[in-house]
Amino acid sequence: KAGVTQTPRYLIKTRGQQVTLSCSPISGHRSVSWYQQTPGQGLQFLFEYFSETQRNKGNFPGRFSGRQFSNSRSEMNVSTLELGDSALYLCASSLGRGETQYFGPGTRLLVL
Amino acid sequence: DQQVKQNSPSLSVQEGRISILNCDYTNSMFDYFLWYKKYPAEGPTFLISISSIKDKNEDGRFTVFLNKSAKHLSLHIVPSQPGDSAVYFCAASDSGGSNYKLTFGKGTLLTVNP
Repeated sequence: KAGVTQTPRYLIKTRGQQVTLSCSPISGHRSVSWYQQTPGQGLQFLFEYFSETQRNKGNFPGRFSGRQFSNSRSEMNVSTLELGDSALYLCASSLGRGETQYFGPGTRLLVL
Repeated sequence: DQQVKQNSPSLSVQEGRISILNCDYTNSMFDYFLWYKKYPAEGPTFLISISSIKDKNEDGRFTVFLNKSAKHLSLHIVPSQPGDSAVYFCAASDSGGSNYKLTFGKGTLLTVNP
């Protein structure tokens, strides 16, 4: 079974731009969560989607948003990029809420 | 406030010996715990998990121990191999809560020397 895939793998943007990241979960998995990893803060929860509904949101500004489609694929969007948004963005999928999460390879975002 | 803590940023062991990675948590609602291994430029790879109804779980060379009263868990790797060298993250969740998410520690860099 194919793992979680994320596109693109690397991205360079400038301040003020917006970016959309994509995540395809493991087949059959309905829950998708997003995390941000930075050297200073470690891995931090962004949001969780289940059956196209955002069920939980971490402590991030409204510039961070996401959605989930009927096939469980998910996208996250960051608007008005700031230098501090430079990070590795990780997507994880699970069969359902409370189940083990499996991570994709991540998207490395660099904001200049 | 850091609810999951890995107090050792790094650990170095000899090949063939035991590696013990530790993790402490403060939130008494956490009832499901996981260990992930991460190589640079890759996503975390799930290793092993344990539910709060158990105090030990084994999978091959990996064993996780949970001490609920001390709010402490540990990952034992026996025997350690050079390929185990990576950053290990401890994660915890309240699996029955409505706000389900994983809370991670900051990680421990394990180096296994040949």
